[in-house]
Amino acid sequence: AQSVTQPDARVTVSEGASLQLRCKYSYSGTPYLFWYVQYQRQGLQLLLKYYSGDPVVQGVNGFEAEFSKSDSSFHLRKASVHWSDSAVYFCAASMGFASALTFGSGTKVIVLP
Amino acid sequence: NAGVIQTPRHKVTGKGQEATLWCEPISGHSAVFWYRQTIVQGLEFLTYFRNQAPIDDSGMPKERFSAQMPNQSHSTLKIQSTQPQDSAVYLCASSLGPFMDQDTQYFGPGTRLLVL
Repeated sequence: AQSVTQPDARVTVSEGASLQLRCKYSYSGTPYLFWYVQYQRQGLQLLLKYYSGDPVVQGVNGFEAEFSKSDSSFHLRKASVHWSDSAVYFCAASMGFASALTFGSGTKVIVLP
Repeated sequence: NAGVIQTPRHKVTGKGQEATLWCEPISGHSAVFWYRQTIVQGLEFLTYFRNQAPIDDSGMPKERFSAQMPNQSHSTLKIQSTQPQDSAVYLCASSLGPFMDQDTQYFGPGTRLLVL
């Protein structure tokens, strides 16, 4: 079965520190990959997406992600976090354009002042 | 651009009652998706329309749940005989089209359904 795994339920980081959120996928082929962020009581917002090509993709607000086919991973990074980055981050995958997304369980990020 | 609009934002129903949730996609978007979010199950896909036609309902529970898209401007998710386990946040998303750079799904704020 196709699945997306986010092994870290919660990550705490100090403001100004770097952040890495892990995501692994299990698909029979290579899916399209996405990172979404959900702020408190709000809808999901797209941070970045990967279809093919350069394995490092840039997103909004200084986020980037790196795709690894050999590792079946799509980890999200940010060099220096701000308190406003506190939110829940979801990794997602799909097997075609405009197809259903399969989401990971999410990682709650808490940024300490 | 108002984004995806979902109404109501909150709904409380008694066990056995019917609940209808509304979604207005972004104007010009041809695809509408429904997802359900719970603490236990996380985010789950329910169903998907493109140009008002149902494309994939593989995530819909076989009983009590139905979805329609009668026109371009709205979709409804109906739950008959609601049960406490239906309590969740129901998220609607829309996308412009089925091609690269058109397929980003834009999510609404969700409808929080509580079944007592």
